[in-house]
Amino acid sequence: GAVVSQHPSRVICKSGTSVKIECRSLDFQATTMFWYRQFPKQSLMLMATSNEGSKATYEQGVEKDKFLINHASLTLSTLTVTSAHPEDSSFYICSARAPLTGDAGELFFGEGSRLTVL
Amino acid sequence: GQNIDQPTEMTATEGAIVQINCTYQTSGFNGLFWYQQHAGEAPTFLSYNVLDGLEEKGRFSSFLSRSKGYSYLLLKELQMKDSASYLCAAMDSNYQLIWGAGTKLIIKP
Repeated sequence: GAVVSQHPSRVICKSGTSVKIECRSLDFQATTMFWYRQFPKQSLMLMATSNEGSKATYEQGVEKDKFLINHASLTLSTLTVTSAHPEDSSFYICSARAPLTGDAGELFFGEGSRLTVL
Repeated sequence: GQNIDQPTEMTATEGAIVQINCTYQTSGFNGLFWYQQHAGEAPTFLSYNVLDGLEEKGRFSSFLSRSKGYSYLLLKELQMKDSASYLCAAMDSNYQLIWGAGTKLIIKP
């Protein structure tokens, strides 16, 4: 199946700093990527849909200025958590949808990035 | 509104069979996904159903009834490594996934 790589897998930062997480589709072009946040023992919460070459679509309640998303190419989307605070500590996961043939639009997930803000 | 329901937790014995149920209500429907997620890891794809019926893939099978808004994931010959959370997700008319909260499956020897 398709491969999505996410980096870094773990990051610890000080409060007030910014952290960038990268999501790459390694063997297919992804015009759309998704960013999720997952709290312990809870389901995935969609934060935003990242569209190549255009602005991301944010879900209700997600701060656009805090969670900056850039989808500059067909294989790379980035999520930047700006001025991070301890409450931003979470597991962030990206996914990309395979082309709607064969895999029936299956979502492939990155490995996830665990952010800890001190 | 859109909603996915699945049990919070289930327990089963190694070597046995377990069925995890999922009911959904979505605006339009473009398929039902099952994902497996081990603690601290990202989800991995298990199955996709868009037509009624049973899809078998090794030890795992998935069933869909569109008229009932119902799906189940069947796991046979359970192994200890099957201990994980199983996420049900329905794709709506906008091709967005609506996620269930996940079913934590505990396998006992």
